[in-house]
Amino acid sequence: SQQGEEDPQALSIQEGENATMNCSYKTSINNLQWYRQNSGRGLVHLILIRSNEREKHSGRLRVTLDTSKKSSSLLITASRAADTASYFCATDDDTASKLTFGTGTRLQVTL
Amino acid sequence: EAGVTQSPTHLIKTRGQQATLRCSPISGHTSVYWYQQALGLGLQFLLWYDEGEERNRGNFPPRFSGRQFPNYSSELNVNALELEDSALYLCASSFPGQGFDEQFFGPGTRLTVL
Repeated sequence: SQQGEEDPQALSIQEGENATMNCSYKTSINNLQWYRQNSGRGLVHLILIRSNEREKHSGRLRVTLDTSKKSSSLLITASRAADTASYFCATDDDTASKLTFGTGTRLQVTL
Repeated sequence: EAGVTQSPTHLIKTRGQQATLRCSPISGHTSVYWYQQALGLGLQFLLWYDEGEERNRGNFPPRFSGRQFPNYSSELNVNALELEDSALYLCASSFPGQGFDEQFFGPGTRLTVL
């Protein structure tokens, strides 16, 4: 079963706007990661936030983590057409010995 | 630095046949992970190999198996193929001791079962 559930499933915005996608998970985690997948290809690691961190930035990306609500959000600022992709959150925990991926958010950025 | 490579890119099989998928990790990476991504769905964890040993497997039947070779490359075998095995199979690798902090993915093998 999926640990993470992304919301929304699909998001369509115009270039220059901000995109926010959310991830909820079920169990205690060590860290939470976000990955991007372009059109059915391999995934690319974007950012990792540890369970004792609340916010992290990387370029145009901002990730927040609320362990009390078991949720995370990914904000992409000033979006570009090249940001069009599916975005997945992934969590790991001490017992699972694996990464568990969410269901993904499909982002479409139009000109 | 070369990334994770997978072969073949596409594979077409019929029900009941066997499929073999191959993965070469990034040089220096000792862990290899396999995932199944059915159309429109998220990634389902299949197998994790490290230093030649199977460390964990996901909730898949035994006809999904694999191995890791001394050079850390890996093979995924799917026996008695079923229609629902049609999916993109992704391989990932990571540095030793990195845990699950970051995985580097290959482009995938698209398996179609007719």
